[in-house]
Amino acid sequence: SYELTQSPSVSVSPGQTARITCSGAALPKRYVYWYQQKSGQAPVLVIYEDTKRPSGIPERFFASSSGTVATLTISGAQVEDGADYYCYSTDSSGDQRVFGGGTKLTVL
Amino acid sequence: EVQLVESGGGLVQPGGSLRLSCAASGFMFSTHEMIWVRQAPGKGLEWLSYINRSGATIYYADSVKGRFTISRDNARNSLYLQMSSLRAEDTAVYYCARENVAVAGYFDSWGQGTLVTVSS
Repeated sequence: SYELTQSPSVSVSPGQTARITCSGAALPKRYVYWYQQKSGQAPVLVIYEDTKRPSGIPERFFASSSGTVATLTISGAQVEDGADYYCYSTDSSGDQRVFGGGTKLTVL
Repeated sequence: EVQLVESGGGLVQPGGSLRLSCAASGFMFSTHEMIWVRQAPGKGLEWLSYINRSGATIYYADSVKGRFTISRDNARNSLYLQMSSLRAEDTAVYYCARENVAVAGYFDSWGQGTLVTVSS
């Protein structure tokens, strides 16, 4: 089955840049989406179609995708950005959808 | 107001069955693709199944293929997940989510979840 791989945790100080990566074999052909989940809450989309930011998401969130690796960057991370972040995509056939294992971002 | 409300969770023995429901309101249910996602305690999100607007196209994660069945009733504004041959590792909070009509992969509304516990 198809898998997306994320590092388990990232820790930065407030104001620093946080980078979260997601790797998957089909990423050159498939869009990546990034979800933020705070404790006890439903996930919220922060990036769609590799690089696009939904309305209401701060400009400090941006993303890129190159080859088999997609990267979510939070520039000038704030304490309230601390959450679990999940990448989401599909396999090359488009049938299997999958979330990455999640990355816990700590901003302290 | 868009609402998704899951129900049907509970305690079930290994090997047992359970049917989850997701009641949709505040939007035109029949125009949205829907998915089921679960989250085991302290673990990450796991995509389980997808159903298109008409119910004609369905996909499953390998972990539940052959054991879980997704369906929908657009007349009743409801989504379902029939689960059978349940295992301890199926213990999780189960969420339904709505896919945005304009952007595939954008799940813009989620239910509050229903807890399924598989234990003897």
